[in-house]
Amino acid sequence: AQRVTQPEKLLSVFKGAPVELKCNYSYSGSPELFWYVQYSRQRLQLLLRHISRESIKGFTADLNKGETSFHLKKPFAQEEDSAMYYCALQASGTYKYIFGTGTRLKVLA
Amino acid sequence: GAVVSQHPSWVICKSGTSVKIECRSLDFQATTMFWYRQFPKQSLMLMATSNEGSKATYEQGVEKDKFLINHASLTLSTLTVTSAHPEDSSFYICSATRVVGLEAFFGPGTRLTVL
Repeated sequence: AQRVTQPEKLLSVFKGAPVELKCNYSYSGSPELFWYVQYSRQRLQLLLRHISRESIKGFTADLNKGETSFHLKKPFAQEEDSAMYYCALQASGTYKYIFGTGTRLKVLA
Repeated sequence: GAVVSQHPSWVICKSGTSVKIECRSLDFQATTMFWYRQFPKQSLMLMATSNEGSKATYEQGVEKDKFLINHASLTLSTLTVTSAHPEDSSFYICSATRVVGLEAFFGPGTRLTVL
């Protein structure tokens, strides 16, 4: 079954501390993986995707096929990073997205 | 960037009435549009996938006669909640994509409250 698991509902860190938001997936083929972010009162927007291997706003995520994980990391959290983060899987060859339950990140001053 | 709009942004209706929600891709042609439902402090649940000119594909557990989806053009999809009841109250979000493997663009969502 296709599934995305984000084990933490809430993650609180202090400003300047490292952040890691966990994401594990279950999929038999080769999925496309994404991180989406939803800031307060704003729509969901793409943060990054694994195929582009880019760093956006200091965030990176590496696809680990052995561990079926796609954890999101940032070395130094900023207050403006506080938001809801969703990990998403897109089954290869389809447009269908499966979202994780989301992790709320709170960066404390 | 690509923009997706939804209308209305919020709606309140009486139990038993039908409500139509529009999703438009403003500056691109969307091959596929998706409809999600989001309960407070929960994740997005995919309800259905909508392709222009063909019938929508519904996820398991979603009543297709209850949630009618029409994808009339490459820029417009509509979701009609028929005979709405209070349990249908939720936040409905649409998204649109152009190409497989690339990002989905999300609408701002429509909050439906059924009294």
